[in-house]
Amino acid sequence: EVQLVESGGNLVQPGGSLRLSCEASGFDFSKYWMTWARQAPGKGLEWVANIRQDGSEKAYVDSVKGRFTISRDNVRKSLYLQMNSLRVEDTAVYYCVRALVGTSGWAWGQGTLVTVSS
Amino acid sequence: QSALTQPRSVSGSPGQSVTISCTGTNNDVGAYSYVSWYQQRPGKAPELVIYDVTERPSGVTDRFSGSKSGNTASLTISGLQDEDEADYYCCSFRFAGTWVFGGGTKVTVL
Repeated sequence: EVQLVESGGNLVQPGGSLRLSCEASGFDFSKYWMTWARQAPGKGLEWVANIRQDGSEKAYVDSVKGRFTISRDNVRKSLYLQMNSLRVEDTAVYYCVRALVGTSGWAWGQGTLVTVSS
Repeated sequence: QSALTQPRSVSGSPGQSVTISCTGTNNDVGAYSYVSWYQQRPGKAPELVIYDVTERPSGVTDRFSGSKSGNTASLTISGLQDEDEADYYCCSFRFAGTWVFGGGTKVTVL
């Protein structure tokens, strides 16, 4: 069974840092692009970042460039999102996402909540 | 990076068909056949219903279908059922390896 389990969400003050993790199981993690997406409370989905199978390519949404870093460890079958200089508008449920079928069909974890507030 | 444009809500009676549009630009929807649609129920993670514009994943009912014309993709739900009531999001590949979602559409079964 394919599983994506996110962790690391917490309450953090503006300007603070947080590292999210996603532990994958049930598939060959090293063969898939991986993605982070987020959803602010009561709002729509937003693509945040993705990373190539070997970590050699990464892309980010403009609003997090220079503040967030996506990385992976294929041995540990884990995906990470290092979030620095957090802002109130970064408050959201963060989802770990993997390719499922075709190029645009994705499977989602259950998410982890990040709250940025003083 | 602007989101794709979706209607905020659509509604229909049981058995009817509803169509949700997703309008982008020549840099995303119009340029690539990498458009997907996700269903999201309250408090749950999104679930895939259509990928690569027209393809339906195994296990998804054939009442869901997708299409694209120019810069606009569409999701049609035929034979609307109570269980279809949810939020729906389109997603498209965009240049430079990025992706973009639509703002979401709430489907209400009357």
